[in-house]
Amino acid sequence: DAGVIQSPRHEVTEMGQEVTLRCKPISGHNSLFWYRQTMMRGLELLIYFNNNVPIDDSGMPEDRFSAKMPNASFSTLKIQPSEPRDSAVYFCASKVTWNTEAFFGQGTRLTVV
Amino acid sequence: KQEVTQIPAALSVPEGENLVLNCSFTDSAIYNLQWFRQDPGKGLTSLLLIQSSQREQTSGRLNASLDKSSGRSTLYIAASQPGDSATYLCAVDTDKLIFGTGTRLQVFP
Repeated sequence: DAGVIQSPRHEVTEMGQEVTLRCKPISGHNSLFWYRQTMMRGLELLIYFNNNVPIDDSGMPEDRFSAKMPNASFSTLKIQPSEPRDSAVYFCASKVTWNTEAFFGQGTRLTVV
Repeated sequence: KQEVTQIPAALSVPEGENLVLNCSFTDSAIYNLQWFRQDPGKGLTSLLLIQSSQREQTSGRLNASLDKSSGRSTLYIAASQPGDSATYLCAVDTDKLIFGTGTRLQVFP
């Protein structure tokens, strides 16, 4: 398996623009997580899905952030409108189920100018 | 609320030393604990997973222990090498992974 695949790897956008980050989990994995990593705050969980259903979105910072998982092989994280303070590395991770090993993608480095 | 702490925040050692990295968590109701490695500008690589019912897990020069009742885990690295230089993160699994802030390790020749 190719592992968790994220796209794009790098994104530079202007403040106010819409940004969409994409994730393809490992086939057969039923849980998917979106994290944000910054120097100041470390790794923060934004939202996670079990069987395509959002379970906990308490980490989503504002209404500008939204996430979807339309099927078992694809998820998106959208920021609209984007702001400079959203600049960070966004990671997607997946695992089979509640008590198994999690695997991370390579991340998307987002810069909002 | 589950909180995960890692000590030390940074460590610099000469090649060949044996190392211990510490991870503590406040709520013992966890499914498992996972140790990751992160190289600069890269994603997280899983190193070891310890189930809540286990005390220890080994992979090569790495050994991780878990004491759930006291809320502690340690990652032991034997005979460290410059290639071990990276940030090491622990995460407790309560259905979602909660991460510590990491230990930045530098091993110099």
